[in-house]
Amino acid sequence: EAGVAQSPRYKIIEKRQSVAFWCNPISGHATLYWYQQILGQGPKLLIQFQNNGVVDDSQLPKDRFSAERLKGVDSTLKIQPAKLEDSAVYLCASSRTNQPQHFGDGTRLSIL
Amino acid sequence: SQQGEEDPQALSIQEGENATMNCSYKTSINNLQWYRQNSGRGLVHLILIRSNEREKHSGRLRVTLDTSKKSSSLLITASRAADTASYFCATDGVSGTYKYIFGTGTRLKVLA
Repeated sequence: EAGVAQSPRYKIIEKRQSVAFWCNPISGHATLYWYQQILGQGPKLLIQFQNNGVVDDSQLPKDRFSAERLKGVDSTLKIQPAKLEDSAVYLCASSRTNQPQHFGDGTRLSIL
Repeated sequence: SQQGEEDPQALSIQEGENATMNCSYKTSINNLQWYRQNSGRGLVHLILIRSNEREKHSGRLRVTLDTSKKSSSLLITASRAADTASYFCATDGVSGTYKYIFGTGTRLKVLA
């Protein structure tokens, strides 16, 4: 089966600019996750979708981050405006309900 | 917040030796998973162990779980250079949301 697709792979922006990341999960996976992974740390869950509904967004900085999953398939994560501390790798993962997660290779975001 | 804490943070061994990594967590769990992350890539699921299981094997991997001590260990036997990666444990809560919290990771380097 095709894996989780993410784009772009790399993004460099200046602080206060906006950026968007895209994720295409594995077909048939109802659960979709967005994680933030800062260098040297483990992934931190930002938001979890079950189909197109939000299950958990308790750690999403809602004043600047937003995410949507239209039609329960693809998802986008947006940051507006970006801050220096947002420099990280943004990972998307998908799974069947309560099954192990499959991860994309992430988008590496650098804020100048 | 980090649920799991891996120990050691970094480990360097010779090819053919065994590598042991430990994970401690704070709250009761349903499942614990181990993932591997190669540099610049997403995480790959290795093994899942349920709270009512004490030991699980998969190829050269052996995972143990001690719920009384809130800890798990991952043993990689006869390590290879290709095992060089970061290893993370991930734990869920008992709330049934299938939300997993990742630990800080162990960076394993296997020298040829």
